Formats: sequence, C-alpha cells, structure tokens
Amino acid sequence: EAGVAQSPRYKIIEKRQSVAFWCNPISGHATLYWYQQILGQGPKLLIQFQNNGVVDDSQLPKDRFSAERLKGVDSTLKIQPAKLEDSAVYLCATRGGLNNEQFFGPGTRLTVL
Amino acid sequence: GENVEQHPSTLSVQEGDSAVIKCTYSDSASNYFPWYKQELGKRPQLIIDIRSNVGEKKDQRIAVTLNKTAKHFSLHITETQPEDSAVYFCAARSQAAGNKLTFGGGTRVLVKP
Repeated sequence: EAGVAQSPRYKIIEKRQSVAFWCNPISGHATLYWYQQILGQGPKLLIQFQNNGVVDDSQLPKDRFSAERLKGVDSTLKIQPAKLEDSAVYLCATRGGLNNEQFFGPGTRLTVL
Repeated sequence: GENVEQHPSTLSVQEGDSAVIKCTYSDSASNYFPWYKQELGKRPQLIIDIRSNVGEKKDQRIAVTLNKTAKHFSLHITETQPEDSAVYFCAARSQAAGNKLTFGGGTRVLVKP
C-alpha cells in the first residue's frame, strides 16, 4: 500500500514570501489533516478535511494560511506571507481503511529566514 | 476541547530495562488512543493503539494500558533496545470532536547500550 506523499521535502524562504505544500493521500482515505510540528513539540492540527469539505480549521491562522482539497483527493497548504515563527515541519496525514488508523506523510521542513 | 498531557518529557534507560510513558486526557468522550514513534527527521509512525472498550493491548515488547475512569493511558516498552530511542507521542481522539487527534507533548526516549 502506497503511503501519504508530500512535496517538497524541504523549503527555505525569506519572511514575507509565499510558499505552498502538496499532499497526496493514501488511496481511498476520505479524511485528510494538515499539522504543524515545531521542533521539540507534538504535531498541532491546522485543518481537517472530510473529502473536499473542511471539518475543522479552528487552529488555522486564516490571515496567512489557506488550504484546499478541491476534488477530495490531493490537498495544498499555502502560507502567504510567511513569518519567522512559521519555521516548522508541515505534516499531512490521512485516515481511513479497515481500522480507521491515521498515517502521516514524510513532512515538509520549512525554514523561514 | 481535548487536552493531552504526557510525562516524562525525557526518559533515559539502560538497554534491557523497561520504559514507561504516561498520558492523561481531559475529554471523557475520547475513545481511541494511538501511540506514535518519531525518529529524528522522520514522520511519526503508529506503533500501537487502544480503543476505549479494552483495558490493555500488547504487541511483542510494547503494551498499552487504559484507565477510562482516571482518564489516563500508558505505554510500556520492555527489554528496551538502542533502536527504541526516539520521541514517542500519545494522542487521544473523540468522535464528539470531529475525530481529530490531540497529541501530547512527546517523550524523548534514550536507550543507552
């Protein structure tokens, strides 16, 4: 079974620039999450999709972050403009299958200079 | 919302000894408790999980216990090996909260040879 795919794996940008991350879920997984993991901390949920609809975006800084999952499969997360404190690993995860388990992608490590 | 506390934040054990990590949760509606292992620079990997209808689950050298009344659950690793060195995260999920996972702060485990 193919896992969750993410790209790019690494990104370095300057503050005030824009950046976008892409996630391809495990086939058939309807639920997709974006997490932010700051070094030394646990993953923090940014947004949850069920198919192409948003279930929870209460912790998404909507003034600069946006996400979409237009066709209910792939998803993109955008930051515009980036701040220094956005430096983190952005993890995509999807949930589904027989046991309804949640699997993470490899993450995108973002460094904002 | 759900709040998950995890202790200790760091744990150093001698190879062959046992390691125990404890978590508490606040939402009594939470019914699924996974544990993830994250090695340096890698994605969190699901290692074991427990649902609220059981009190204990074991898989080779790892086991998880759940006390619903006290709202705490623990991870036990026996006969630790150097490859068990990693950061371990507990999490709790509640259907009432849209099935989102709330993570603990993580425990950095170091197994000394």
